[in-house]
Amino acid sequence: DAKTTQPTSMDCAEGRAANLPCNHSTISGNEYVYWYRQIHSQGPQYIIHGLKNNETNEMASLIITEDRKSSTLILPHATLRDTAVYYCIVRVRGGSQGNLIFGKGTKLSVKP
Amino acid sequence: EAGVTQFPSHSVIEKGQTVTLRCDPISGHDNLYWYRRVMGKEIKFLLHFVKESKQDESGMPNNRFLAERTGGTYSTLKVQPAELEDSGVYFCASSQDLDMYGYTFGSGTRLTVV
Repeated sequence: DAKTTQPTSMDCAEGRAANLPCNHSTISGNEYVYWYRQIHSQGPQYIIHGLKNNETNEMASLIITEDRKSSTLILPHATLRDTAVYYCIVRVRGGSQGNLIFGKGTKLSVKP
Repeated sequence: EAGVTQFPSHSVIEKGQTVTLRCDPISGHDNLYWYRRVMGKEIKFLLHFVKESKQDESGMPNNRFLAERTGGTYSTLKVQPAELEDSGVYFCASSQDLDMYGYTFGSGTRLTVV
């Protein structure tokens, strides 16, 4: 089972920031937080990941709380093309264990 | 660089037939994964190759599924004989460093068993 909890759906106005929350209260110290998204029926797309520090790349920012029990993915200026299902996933760091456990994710609808 | 490529993009077969799906990972990626999504369900892990070796095949549903990665390059996933419940979208992904980077997924193969 997925170790994360996300809202089922969210709406965001085009051009505004989209803030997607994720709860991972049972996360271990050696587990990363990953975010992926799936646009329509395409393959999942990697967005960002982090261990305990906040991270930023060209797509998004990841804010992880100090106790690491929750995180927020921020899309700073959402566009219509950001409409997708967003998945928050935890994965053990290092070693050979590489599989991702996908939950139901959050369906983000960006509206004009 | 070229992404992860999957063939075919769609396949419709009759129950009892055999189908082989192919995945070409990004060149140089030692890690290759197969996932699938059946109708209305979440994306589920099937198996993980490191080069030509099966690292984890705990997600393979039954012995009708056979995955290979000869030479550590492309991989095939064969379903024989196909059943109706095998219908879904099969995704392949690859990665070089699991901690540094995320996976890159292919566009998937949509399999329909009738």
